[in-house]
Amino acid sequence: DAGVIQSPRHEVTEMGQEVTLRCKPISGHNSLFWYRQTMMRGLELLIYFNNNVPIDDSGMPEDRFSAKMPNASFSTLKIQPSEPRDSAVYFCASRLGQRSYEQYFGPGTRLTVT
Amino acid sequence: AQSVTQLDSQVPVFEEAPVELRCNYSSSVSVYLFWYVQYPNQGLQLLLKYLSGSTLVKGINGFEAEFNKSQTSFHLRKPSVHISDTAEYFCAVSPFSGGYNKLIFGAGTRLAVHP
Repeated sequence: DAGVIQSPRHEVTEMGQEVTLRCKPISGHNSLFWYRQTMMRGLELLIYFNNNVPIDDSGMPEDRFSAKMPNASFSTLKIQPSEPRDSAVYFCASRLGQRSYEQYFGPGTRLTVT
Repeated sequence: AQSVTQLDSQVPVFEEAPVELRCNYSSSVSVYLFWYVQYPNQGLQLLLKYLSGSTLVKGINGFEAEFNKSQTSFHLRKPSVHISDTAEYFCAVSPFSGGYNKLIFGAGTRLAVHP
């Protein structure tokens, strides 16, 4: 079975540009998470969807960040405009249900903003 | 609120030696406990979890962890490490809740196995 799929794997962009990260969760999973990993702050939860509905977006850093889940098989995380401090690895994870505990992580997208 | 402290940021060890990675947590409610492993340039993978029952849990790749409620600890151990165990290890907790089982991660411990 395919795991969580993220694209692109690497993204290099200039400050001020819009960046869109994509995630395809495991088929049948109805919970989806976006995380950001940096050396300084470790792993941070950005947003959590359940059944395509955002449940907890308290970790989204600021209005420049937005996330959508238009259907059960696709989610996007958009940064507009991007800044150098957004450079990080962004992970998507999915889970079978709200009462399940195991999250399955994608390989991540390494974002570099110059 | 919950927090997770991984007491060692880096642990160097020689191949075939035993290793213990330490994890302490703080929580005002009961929690479930997890260890995840992240190999270089990869996502996180569940190593083991404690939900209930025996406090000694066994995971993949020969790892095990023991839940100690009185000391609020969940240390990870392996009796003999391999070069391939070189990775970053994350301890995480999930508080009991009505439905939203959020994972709170520690800062990670980088295990470096040397020949």
